[in-house]
Amino acid sequence: SYVLTQPPSVSVAPGKTARITCGGNNIGSKSVHWYQQKPGQAPVLVIYYDSDRPSGIPERFSGSNSGNTATLTISRVEAGDEADYYCQVWDSSSDHPEVFGGGTKLTVL
Amino acid sequence: QVQLQESGPGLVKPSQTLSLTCTVSGGSISSGGYYWSWIRQHPGKGLEWIGYIYYSGSTYYNPSLKSRVTISVDTSKNQFSLKLSSVTAADTAVYYCAMGVGATELFFDYWGQGTLVTVSS
Repeated sequence: SYVLTQPPSVSVAPGKTARITCGGNNIGSKSVHWYQQKPGQAPVLVIYYDSDRPSGIPERFSGSNSGNTATLTISRVEAGDEADYYCQVWDSSSDHPEVFGGGTKLTVL
Repeated sequence: QVQLQESGPGLVKPSQTLSLTCTVSGGSISSGGYYWSWIRQHPGKGLEWIGYIYYSGSTYYNPSLKSRVTISVDTSKNQFSLKLSSVTAADTAVYYCAMGVGATELFFDYWGQGTLVTVSS
């Protein structure tokens, strides 16, 4: 089945830019979605279809996807952005279509 | 704004059946176009999709759980439900219901708050 690989952790200082990667074989041919999960809370969709933002999600959150890597970029990072971030694809060609990455813990220094 | 709320027992004995219900408000399950899903998260771990149901009743399950999972829908109550049979301690997790969007490239737009289900005697 399809595998998504995320770094376990990323650290960034407030005001800087955080980049969280999601690796997969030819992931650029798929649509990638991103979720933010804070401790004790349900995941929240922050990016869908590679780079679209749901209403209410700050413009500081952006996404890109090409080749074998999708990237969630958070600009001007704030303390409130500290959370786990998960990428997700739906591989309709697979018997196991739903795939989540293992998650990345974003720490704001 | 769509809201989802899980309900059901927080403790289930091994070998028994886990049963949860998700009540949807702010939108109608019968309106179509959405894939009403269950997703779980083992303690301290990542997310695992369990399956979904369309308002018509058609279902799609995670192959690794398919033999034990049943998802059903009650459009009159605007609810959908999960049954997971023959549970073991490995089924202890937070269970989320979610609204899936986009049939061929599904993503999960709205989530319930989640409910912890512990499997223990």
